[in-house]
Amino acid sequence: AQSVTQLGSHVSVSEGALVLLRCNYSSSVPPYLFWYVQYPNQGLQLLLKYTSAATLVKGINGFEAEFKKSETSFHLTKPSAHMSDAAEYFCAVRSNSGYALNFGKGTSLLVTP
Amino acid sequence: DAGVTQSPTHLIKTRGQQVTLRCSPKSGHDTVSWYQQALGQGPQFIFQYYEEEERQRGNFPDRFSGHQFPNYSSELNVNALLLGDSALYLCASSLELPGAQYFGPGTRLLVL
Repeated sequence: AQSVTQLGSHVSVSEGALVLLRCNYSSSVPPYLFWYVQYPNQGLQLLLKYTSAATLVKGINGFEAEFKKSETSFHLTKPSAHMSDAAEYFCAVRSNSGYALNFGKGTSLLVTP
Repeated sequence: DAGVTQSPTHLIKTRGQQVTLRCSPKSGHDTVSWYQQALGQGPQFIFQYYEEEERQRGNFPDRFSGHQFPNYSSELNVNALLLGDSALYLCASSLELPGAQYFGPGTRLLVL
């Protein structure tokens, strides 16, 4: 089954610093990849998705992710962190022959003043 | 445009009881998926409904069952509740492949 691994369960950055959240996938063929954000006591909000149209994907709130087949990675970045970015971030994968999303364990982003 | 809605928002049950959770998909979506998210974990896929049929199921026991109605809304039923069923239950809706899944706010279930 397709799976993703998120490196680092907790990431702390200063306000204004670069945000880098890591996600690696396991798949023999390019899958569909997603990043979601979850604020406390809320559901998941879709940040961006990769569906093979372009390797650099731009999402909401200034986030983007780059699909790198050679590294089987789909890392999430944002040039300048804002306090409101503090949340839990989940990477997810869906195979092109399945319907379920398989999520990573999540990365908690802390933004300090 | 209303997003995915779920009811109730919170629920407290005791072991052995049965529970029904409800979900209305985003306008125009015809597919509903259910996920269980334990505290501190990523969501785990329970099953997906399309055209009123369960078309994929995750690694959950038969105590978990569902239904999709002609208007695309869906129910998740859990029988013989266990303490370990305490979690946030998330509903997600989507269009046919390869669309992204859009999540509702979830129902938090506590089993005592």
